[in-house]
Amino acid sequence: NAGVTQTPKFRVLKTGQSMTLLCAQDMNHEYMYWYRQDPGMGLRLIHYSVGEGTTAKGEVPDGYNVSRLKKQNFLLGLESAAPSQTSVYFCASTPEGVRGNEQFFGPGTRLTVL
Amino acid sequence: AQSVTQPDIHITVSEGASLELRCNYSYGATPYLFWYVQSPGQGLQLLLKYFSGDTLVQGIKGFEAEFKRSQSSFNLRKPSVHWSDAAEYFCAVGAGGYSTLTFGKGTMLLVSP
Repeated sequence: NAGVTQTPKFRVLKTGQSMTLLCAQDMNHEYMYWYRQDPGMGLRLIHYSVGEGTTAKGEVPDGYNVSRLKKQNFLLGLESAAPSQTSVYFCASTPEGVRGNEQFFGPGTRLTVL
Repeated sequence: AQSVTQPDIHITVSEGASLELRCNYSYGATPYLFWYVQSPGQGLQLLLKYFSGDTLVQGIKGFEAEFKRSQSSFNLRKPSVHWSDAAEYFCAVGAGGYSTLTFGKGTMLLVSP
């Protein structure tokens, strides 16, 4: 089992460019999450999904879009990147919500927007 | 809305000394509480969790945490810290119908020789 994987690991964008971050999990988990981590801010939830074909907004959704076309994949898109989106992005998954269930995290994607 | 406060941004502990990291939460219903650890350049790893039962919870790597409802706290403890424990520690509470977690801002643990 690879667990939760994220692609790419690093990326540098120019302001206004677009990109997609891919999260994949091989644990057959229902719930998947995208977080951003900034110094001194902890992890903040961007979007999440409670199953294939569903998405929901988290705490900081503006400037991001997501899709969950397949159960194992959760994509995070930046349509027009801004310097404020420079961050480390983490994907996580859990079997069915957080009722005592551990969230399994990927290794992260470090994104820099110039 | 739920919230988590970790009052200490940085803590320095001597190797072999005991450790306590503080976490206070605000949530109206029964909380689901978690402690995660993040080593530099890594993702988060679960240390322990509380969702019911015994208020003293044992986790991995010799860590434990105690849930105190009257104080809305879930402090993390370890009797003897090792240099490899140097990392950032996050407390989190399950909320929003239990589909999402709210994380604290983290406490960076430094271990001195």
